[in-house]
Amino acid sequence: AQKITQTQPGMFVQEKEAVTLDCTYDTSDQSYGLFWYKQPSSGEMIFLIYQGSYDEQNATEGRYSLNFQKARKSANLVISASQLGDSAMYFCAMRERGNTGKLIFGQGTTLQVKP
Amino acid sequence: GAVVSQHPSWVICKSGTSVKIECRSLDFQATTMFWYRQFPKQSLMLMATSNEGSKATYEQGVEKDKFLINHASLTLSTLTVTSAHPEDSSFYICSAQQGSEQPQHFGDGTRLSIL
Repeated sequence: AQKITQTQPGMFVQEKEAVTLDCTYDTSDQSYGLFWYKQPSSGEMIFLIYQGSYDEQNATEGRYSLNFQKARKSANLVISASQLGDSAMYFCAMRERGNTGKLIFGQGTTLQVKP
Repeated sequence: GAVVSQHPSWVICKSGTSVKIECRSLDFQATTMFWYRQFPKQSLMLMATSNEGSKATYEQGVEKDKFLINHASLTLSTLTVTSAHPEDSSFYICSAQQGSEQPQHFGDGTRLSIL
């Protein structure tokens, strides 16, 4: 069965430093997609970054990059130069097999950025 | 681009009443919309998948007669919580996607409190 695991319930990082949020996944599919979303305390889910299983390059979007280690089945999110506004809950997700578009979410990691 | 509007953002109502939540994709046509429920500090729980013009597909354990979903157009899906009770109090959030290969874009969520 497909599964997403985020083992860090909470993380702290100093402002301006980089932080890595861990995500491992389990699937027997060859083709799959991995996503990261940010959820501030206000509740909205903000799409951050996407990595396809066949993408040769690690995805990057501004200060966000995805460290994709296919053999290890990990898709860690790296946030560089942390800002106070980065404090939020972060979810890793994998697109479910088939063409439904459904996402399987991890448990989430709460990140707090310290001034 | 890819803006999803969800309304209302906050509802308080008496036990036994029905509550309708709207989810609109503002600048794209959404072939599929998803409805999630989220408890505090937990991950998103998928309730149902909604395709325009067809019946919603409910996840196991979700009562379809309790949570009525209508997807009348490519830009609008509604979730009606019928005869709501205090245990239905939660954060409900919708998402929309243009195609199964596209990321899901989320609304801002609705905080539902049943007294």
